[in-house]
Amino acid sequence: GAGVSQSPSNKVTEKGKDVELRCDPISGHTALYWYRQSLGQGLEFLIYFQGNSAPDKSGLPSDRFSAERTGGSVSTLTIQRTQQEDSAVYLCASSLLGYNEQFFGPGTRLTVL
Amino acid sequence: LAKTTQPISMDSYEGQEVNITCSHNNIATNDYITWYQQFPSQGPRFIIQGYKTKVTNEVASLFIPADRKSSTLSLPRVSLSDTAVYYCLVGAINTGTASKLTFGTGTRLQVTL
Repeated sequence: GAGVSQSPSNKVTEKGKDVELRCDPISGHTALYWYRQSLGQGLEFLIYFQGNSAPDKSGLPSDRFSAERTGGSVSTLTIQRTQQEDSAVYLCASSLLGYNEQFFGPGTRLTVL
Repeated sequence: LAKTTQPISMDSYEGQEVNITCSHNNIATNDYITWYQQFPSQGPRFIIQGYKTKVTNEVASLFIPADRKSSTLSLPRVSLSDTAVYYCLVGAINTGTASKLTFGTGTRLQVTL
């Protein structure tokens, strides 16, 4: 595709529910990243996938957060038992192996009521 | 883990040169320095990347001193459309390993006439 796409663009959920956020990276990009951006704040690294290597999960804030990347392409970020503090914009990015230039998607705005 | 520090905000008039500095005292040998621009409700967009000395492209220059403990993004002759938040990212992506990517807190640049 032309760029990184994310879905849904907006998600409103109730506290305690599970949510799944999807990221479609640029075709051919082997590295994929998830970030979280709270209102008016900077980007918080969550998780990084590169090829077939084990993902770097060091940024996940709790065990309620998990992510997978199927077939080296599409990735899903899952948040279980959502809390109000999970409300934020979740950004996905991808890059070519060996390059550090990341291409970001438009983000998913998650609101937990 | 390279923590980064940037000024929270800067103001400039159209046509002036703007220099934004990022401090990263704990930068690692393999870390690169990358700058991103973010407009409201959009994902960040790559501006420039460097390892040491000076890098220039069609939109900006990046100055990195020999000790690499800081870097300066230089935007020549800014326009109103350069009003955005600018992030400094320090990190390295190595085959087989991954390091936690650290975005700066971001500098909100406001350009006026």
